[in-house]
Amino acid sequence: GDSVTQMEGPVTLSEEAFLTINCTYTATGYPSLFWYVQYPGEGLQLLLKATKADDKGSNKGFEATYRKETTSFHLEKGSVQVSDSAVYFCALMDTGRRALTFGSGTRLQVQP
Amino acid sequence: DSGVTQTPKHLITATGQRVTLRCSPRSGDLSVYWYQQSLDQGLQFLIQYYNGEERAKGNILERFSAQQFPDLHSELNLSSLELGDSALYFCASSSNIAKNIQYFGAGTRLSVL
Repeated sequence: GDSVTQMEGPVTLSEEAFLTINCTYTATGYPSLFWYVQYPGEGLQLLLKATKADDKGSNKGFEATYRKETTSFHLEKGSVQVSDSAVYFCALMDTGRRALTFGSGTRLQVQP
Repeated sequence: DSGVTQTPKHLITATGQRVTLRCSPRSGDLSVYWYQQSLDQGLQFLIQYYNGEERAKGNILERFSAQQFPDLHSELNLSSLELGDSALYFCASSSNIAKNIQYFGAGTRLSVL
């Protein structure tokens, strides 16, 4: 079945550092890929998405590119802020079923 | 604010009991999804409803059931509760126009003692 693998956390960075959170997936067909963010005590918010190979999703300085050849969708940000501290989930949605399959989540802690 | 409302925010109950979690989707959204977030299993899809009909099932236990009402709100019923059912339960909704974008509620935290 479908699966998503994320790098283990927590990831601790200083403010203005470069962020990469790795995400790889296994799926049949051509899934859509997502990054969701969960701030403490809140639900999940869609951060960005990509629906086909080579698409780049971007939002709030975060970017991720759908790489079919490496089955990856790594999240990057050039300069993190303390307010980016949260848990980040990579997810896929297959073309048939509309349910999301999530990775295990990566906690990001940004220190001033 | 995602526009998806879940009640209650917290629920504390005992083993063997039954509880009902409620979800109101965003205005106009016909699809409702339920997810469970637990420490050991992570975030897992439970079940989807579309306009009152069950559309897809995930890792939902037989002790759990759901339904979607004519006004499109949904309820997740959990019965014969066990300690392991303690988790955060999320509801999400999506529209027909942007079917692959799901908006999540803030969740209901269930504690089974």
